[in-house]
Formats: sequence, C-alpha cells, structure tokens
Amino acid sequence: EAAVTQSPRSKVAVTGGKVTLSCHQTNNHDYMYWYRQDTGHGLRLIHYSYVADSTEKGDIPDGYKASRPSQENFSLILELASLSQTAVYFCASSDGTGREEQYFGPGTRLTVL
Amino acid sequence: GDSVTQKQGQVTLSEDDFLFINCTYSTTTYPTLLWYVQYPGQGPQLLLKVTTANNKGISRGFEATYDKGTTSFHLQKASVQESDSAVYFCALVDRRNMGYKLTFGTGTSLLVDP
Repeated sequence: EAAVTQSPRSKVAVTGGKVTLSCHQTNNHDYMYWYRQDTGHGLRLIHYSYVADSTEKGDIPDGYKASRPSQENFSLILELASLSQTAVYFCASSDGTGREEQYFGPGTRLTVL
Repeated sequence: GDSVTQKQGQVTLSEDDFLFINCTYSTTTYPTLLWYVQYPGQGPQLLLKVTTANNKGISRGFEATYDKGTTSFHLQKASVQESDSAVYFCALVDRRNMGYKLTFGTGTSLLVDP
C-alpha cells in the first residue's frame, strides 16, 4: 500500500525563524508535491518535483523553497517564517504515468507565532 | 487557467438522508474530475474519478457524475451514515503540465448526525 510519511506532525515556530518540513515516500513514485491547507481555501500547490534534484514552482511558491535530494525525500523550507504561513501542510506523491491519484501524507500542522 | 468552484462549505444531514454536493469547473481541455475525501486528522484520499469517457464513477456507495453542458460535476449518495462525516473535495486534473497537477475546490464539510 502507498505510504507517505511527514515529519514533524506538528510544529510551533517563531516569526523570522527557519522551518524545514520533511516528507518521505516508499511508493517508488517519481512525482512529489507540497500543498498547504487553509480554511476556506482548500488545498493549494506550493512546489512539486518530478525527478530528484529538480523542483518546480506551484501556484503559491512565494516564501517557500523545496528540495528533492532523492526520489524518496522531498522537503519544504521556510527560510523566514511569517504569521501568514500558519497552516496545515500536506505532502503527496504520484507515479505520473497516466494515473492521476495522488497519495497524501497525514499532514504537518505549523503554527508561526 | 483551470478553476474549480465548490460553493457548499458545510452540509449537515441525518443518517439515511440523501447527499448531493456540486462543483463547477472551467478548463480548456477535456476534463478529468476527481473527488477526494478527508477524514479528521488524515490527508485526503481519492474517492472517485470521472472522465469524459465514462461520465460516471461509483465507489463505496458514492456516485460521481459530470454534466458537460453546465460544466459541473456532482457527488451523491442515497443514504449517508455517520461514518461518512468528512470533508469532500472536488479536483480538476491539469494535463497540460509535467505530471498531473490538481486544482482543488475549497471543500464541503459533511456532518452526519446519528
């Protein structure tokens, strides 16, 4: 069964600090994605990647960086965390071979104070 | 660009009631439409897929259909149970980019009273 894990599951950060969210998948999928979820906005794509060592901007990339050091791992980096980045962040993976299903992790709840 | 509108923010039903959730979409390509369900504390998971080829998807008692004329698609269930309480998202598949980007609606929170 598809497996996407995220760490940490919850984090409190200070404004201006650096935050790194990690995602690991054991699906052997080429595509990985980072979304944020806010009440009233659904899920919005921040960054995605279709191969290791390469990332692409999604719909709301400002204030975020991404890193894909291997097929299995995908990180989301907030260099200078801001209050507006308080949200739940989801990582997902897909095999990108005509199957649209994206498998989501359990999410990370980030609170920036 | 592609867009999806899901106007029903919250729906409250009693067990055995009929469920109907509606989404409208805008795209310049042939649409593939997905319904995801998110249970409390979990990530979204795929519930149903509808394409122009099949016009309908059925899973776990849910049925998804789309109407090309009104560019809308629907999720329905004849008789909901308390365990169906969750957030339901519609999503449009964007095939124009590398990979299969999804454009999500804002979600409909379903609460089923026992």
